Amino acid sequence: DAGVTQSPTHLIKTRGQHVTLRCSPISGHKSVSWYQQVLGQGPQFIFQYYEKEERGRGNFPDRFSARQFPNYSSELNVNALLLGDSALYLCASRGGLAGANEQFFGPGTRLTVL
Amino acid sequence: AQRVTQPEKLLSVFKGAPVELKCNYSYSGSPELFWYVQYSRQRLQLLLRHISRESIKGFTADLNKGETSFHLKKPFAQEEDSAMYYCALSPLSDYKLSFGAGTTVTVRA
Repeated sequence: DAGVTQSPTHLIKTRGQHVTLRCSPISGHKSVSWYQQVLGQGPQFIFQYYEKEERGRGNFPDRFSARQFPNYSSELNVNALLLGDSALYLCASRGGLAGANEQFFGPGTRLTVL
Repeated sequence: AQRVTQPEKLLSVFKGAPVELKCNYSYSGSPELFWYVQYSRQRLQLLLRHISRESIKGFTADLNKGETSFHLKKPFAQEEDSAMYYCALSPLSDYKLSFGAGTTVTVRA
């Protein structure tokens, strides 16, 4: 198992554009979480999905949305991009909803907004 | 609200010296505390969690509820310990991790 995979690795967009980031969890994992990591800061929680339902949302504007597919992969969508959206976007998967299940992180997608 | 503070952005120690990374948190309930590590060109990975009460790669961390701290310690630092370390918190039986800003550790020969 390659672990959590994310695509693309890098992405350059301009202000006002839309972006879609993709994540494939570890085989058998049903929970996917998304985090934003701005340079010099720790990751900040954006969303969690479990069994295709949104189970939590962080303090992010409605421009950010996500969904989870029947195969448990997930997409993060960001509309009307701002310069401040430039960051590393991390996806993490875990076997269960919470509790004792460890969260495994992907390598991230580096988004640059010009 | 849950908050994690790592007061040191950078920490430099000599090989064989003790190393301690500070982490303080604020949370009104009973949290679960973690230390994550990111080595150069690798992905973020779990180092240890307070519930496990185990030592990983020689590192230990004790949850002090009175001081709301979860400091990470290792008695003898090794060069391979050079990495970025993040302290994180989640409510028990919850999913949302709150991370500190991280501490970059450099172990010099």
